[in-house]
Amino acid sequence: QVQLQESGPGLVKPSGTLSLTCAVSGGSISSTDWWSWVRQPPGKGLEWIGEIYHSGSSNYNPSLKSRVTISVDKSKNQFSLKLSSVTAADTAVYYCARVGMAGTFDYWGQGILVTVSS
Amino acid sequence: QSALTQPASVSGSPGQSITISCTGTSSDVGGYNYVSWYQQFPGKAPKLMIYEVRNRPSGVSNRFSGSKSGNTASLTISGLQAEDEADYYCSSYTSSTTVVFGGGTKLTVL
Repeated sequence: QVQLQESGPGLVKPSGTLSLTCAVSGGSISSTDWWSWVRQPPGKGLEWIGEIYHSGSSNYNPSLKSRVTISVDKSKNQFSLKLSSVTAADTAVYYCARVGMAGTFDYWGQGILVTVSS
Repeated sequence: QSALTQPASVSGSPGQSITISCTGTSSDVGGYNYVSWYQQFPGKAPKLMIYEVRNRPSGVSNRFSGSKSGNTASLTISGLQAEDEADYYCSSYTSSTTVVFGGGTKLTVL
């Protein structure tokens, strides 16, 4: 059973960089799966941020692409998210998820609330 | 990319059936059989309920079913139960190799 766990600071200052890590257990990040980040602002819907393959290939939401970097660390079986130049609009619960066939998120982390505030 | 269109809310009585629609374009919902549906309870992570338009993961009740016609996908819940009250989201793979979600639908069991 694959399990995912997000970690990182819960508070980030405006104009700073949000950095989160997702630890994968019960499976290898070097499998045939992609790995993704999804966020949900308080009281709002889900927004896909992007995804990465263990080879380093990635795809990003066009609306966030200029500010997002997703990377993978095979030695630690984890992947990471960096979102730069954050504003209050980036305040959200951030989820990491495993991507099954073409955009199907079959395993999710519990989510981590990140607040952007001074 | 624009979010897929879902009704903000739907409601039904126990035992009834409800359907939630998810409308996109030929570049997402209409172009691929990669539509998924998720159930989310307050404060919890989403749970996959339907994938590839109509397939149920192991453990998901057969009261949940999915379909698609043109650019609109649908989730039907039959034999509605109080425990089905939650938010539901659709998602689709797109021609830009991205994923787009719907705005979400709040299901109320009366």
